[in-house]
Amino acid sequence: QVQLQESGPGLVKPSETLSLTCTVSGGSISGYYCNWIRQPPGKGLEWIGYISYSGSTNYNPSLKSRITMSIDTSKNQFSLKLNSVTAADTAVYYCATHIAVVGTENWGQGTLVTVSS
Amino acid sequence: DIQMTQSPSSVSASVGDRVTITCRASQGISSWLAWYQQKPGKAPKLLIYAASSLQSGVPSRFSGSGSGTDFTLTISSLQPEDFATYYCQQANSFLGITFGGGTKVEIK
Repeated sequence: QVQLQESGPGLVKPSETLSLTCTVSGGSISGYYCNWIRQPPGKGLEWIGYISYSGSTNYNPSLKSRITMSIDTSKNQFSLKLNSVTAADTAVYYCATHIAVVGTENWGQGTLVTVSS
Repeated sequence: DIQMTQSPSSVSASVGDRVTITCRASQGISSWLAWYQQKPGKAPKLLIYAASSLQSGVPSRFSGSGSGTDFTLTISSLQPEDFATYYCQQANSFLGITFGGGTKVEIK
């Protein structure tokens, strides 16, 4: 069973860069689309984007200008950077593996990132 | 972008009730539709993929149907553990993944 774990700071200052890493264990990320999804407190799910094993990316158009994703296949890890954050970026951030046209099968437990000075 | 619209946003039901949630896509998405269940403080769990295929381990009281733009999730006999929020998802990663707004199933 593939397991995912998010890591990174829980508090980020406004205008700075949010950086998170997802470590995958119990299986390879090969063949998956590696996604980041967020959920503001009390609200619904928002897809941020994905990076494939080969390094191709697809980002949410509403966030595209502020996102960078990367992948390290040797470490079975992928990462998210979101720059110029504001309070509106406060959310639980999930990493998750998605199978094309099927669904998001494996999820991390989520990590709360608060944007505040 | 493909927009996903769920209804209702909340539903009150009793144990044993049949519950139906609908999801409409802003354009045709074939059968690239998935359903998730989320409980408070937990990550979403995949219930249904390809509009009507039951994910391994998910009880058979959950079923999905539809294709194109209109989809439904049905819980045939609501159990206490089914009180949660449900999300639909346009699952074709090549088009960019999008979620519906969610439907909260509450105890009546």
